[in-house]
Amino acid sequence: DAKTTQPNSMESNEEEPVHLPCNHSTISGTDYIHWYRQLPSQGPEYVIHGLTSNVNNRMASLAIAEDRKSSTLILHRATLRDAAVYYCIPLVYNQGGKLIFGQGTELSVKP
Amino acid sequence: NAGVMQNPRHLVRRRGQEARLRCSPMKGHSHVYWYRQLPEEGLKFMVYLQKENIIDESGMPKERFSAEFPKEGPSILRIQQVVRGDSAAYFCASSSSAGLTDTQYFGPGTRLTVL
Repeated sequence: DAKTTQPNSMESNEEEPVHLPCNHSTISGTDYIHWYRQLPSQGPEYVIHGLTSNVNNRMASLAIAEDRKSSTLILHRATLRDAAVYYCIPLVYNQGGKLIFGQGTELSVKP
Repeated sequence: NAGVMQNPRHLVRRRGQEARLRCSPMKGHSHVYWYRQLPEEGLKFMVYLQKENIIDESGMPKERFSAEFPKEGPSILRIQQVVRGDSAAYFCASSSSAGLTDTQYFGPGTRLTVL
């Protein structure tokens, strides 16, 4: 399995951008990088995924390093509702889609 | 389109009893995954099923735990003779397929407490 390293916790102010880093130096060329988040007392929810190019959706942007050994999830304007644990998960070919969760980054947002 | 449904949301069992957790995937989804989150720990994959078949059960404890996803009806995670260490939140997720770009949609979880 590709190993990931994320900061245990980060703090942000409301309405400011947040950059959540992830190192995945053992990722292989076919592994997609997925991000999920888990709000308190809820099930995880999908945020975004990408392979090589930077990706944008209504929730966030994903910036992937050229060597693919790291990526950064960008929340453009953090809200209180974005307080959650964010997980960076490489999805490995031939693994049936199962998600291997690391410890994630707990994001707190201050008003 | 209703999301992934899990019931019950909370389940209390005494040691030695059986626990049955149900998961109804999103409409049109034939892939179901079960994950467990022990208190103060991360989410761990347990089992992956595709209609009537267990595809990957590498995360399931060897004893007392079983899972099924029948042709009709919800997926069931069954825990026999529960022990206190089984107390956890159990989440199921569903997807339309199992490719590298497919999204898993999670249910709200069942919180199992073993007394």
